Amino acid sequence: GAVVSQHPSRVICKSGTSVKIECRSLDFQATTMFWYRQFPKKSLMLMATSNEGSKATYEQGVEKDKFLINHASLTLSTLTVTSAHPEDSSFYICSARPQETQYFGPGTRLLVL
Amino acid sequence: DAKTTQPPSMDCAEGRAANLPCNHSTISGNEYVYWYRQIHSQGPQYIIHGLKNNETNEMASLIITEDRKSSTLILPHATLRDTAVYYCIAERQGNMLTFGGGTRLMVKP
Repeated sequence: GAVVSQHPSRVICKSGTSVKIECRSLDFQATTMFWYRQFPKKSLMLMATSNEGSKATYEQGVEKDKFLINHASLTLSTLTVTSAHPEDSSFYICSARPQETQYFGPGTRLLVL
Repeated sequence: DAKTTQPPSMDCAEGRAANLPCNHSTISGNEYVYWYRQIHSQGPQYIIHGLKNNETNEMASLIITEDRKSSTLILPHATLRDTAVYYCIAERQGNMLTFGGGTRLMVKP
């Protein structure tokens, strides 16, 4: 299947700092990418849809000024968690689809101290 | 998108077939049935999908009932590495996926 990568795989940061997470489609171009968040023992929750060349679409309850999304190219989307707080600690997962099947990255575990 | 219902957990003996059920009684005609699994601390892995015909690939088989109201994912010879949460999702092709609770499959030696 198609390959989606994320970087970093895990990050620890201090409260109040910003963290950037990269999502790359390695063997295909993606005009749309999706960002999910997953808390321990919970299912994945869609945060936003990242669109190349236009603004991201955020799900209800997700603060767009806190979770900045930039879809800079057809193979790269970034999620920046601004002024991170301990409650932002979570597993962040991106996905993309080369055609009709959605493929997921390995996830980024964020711990905010 | 159609709601799916899965048992929260199942056990399976190593080497035996694992049969994971999924109910999607309100599925519409253009919605596919997708199966993904998530091994601990990893992103979801695509397994298989189908519309109304049974499907098979190197990972699993998907059996969809004739009325399309339920389906079963079959792992023919489960191994310990198949221990994961398995998600059944009914969605139109090309739409983003919404995850439910899934089934936590424990493969035991």
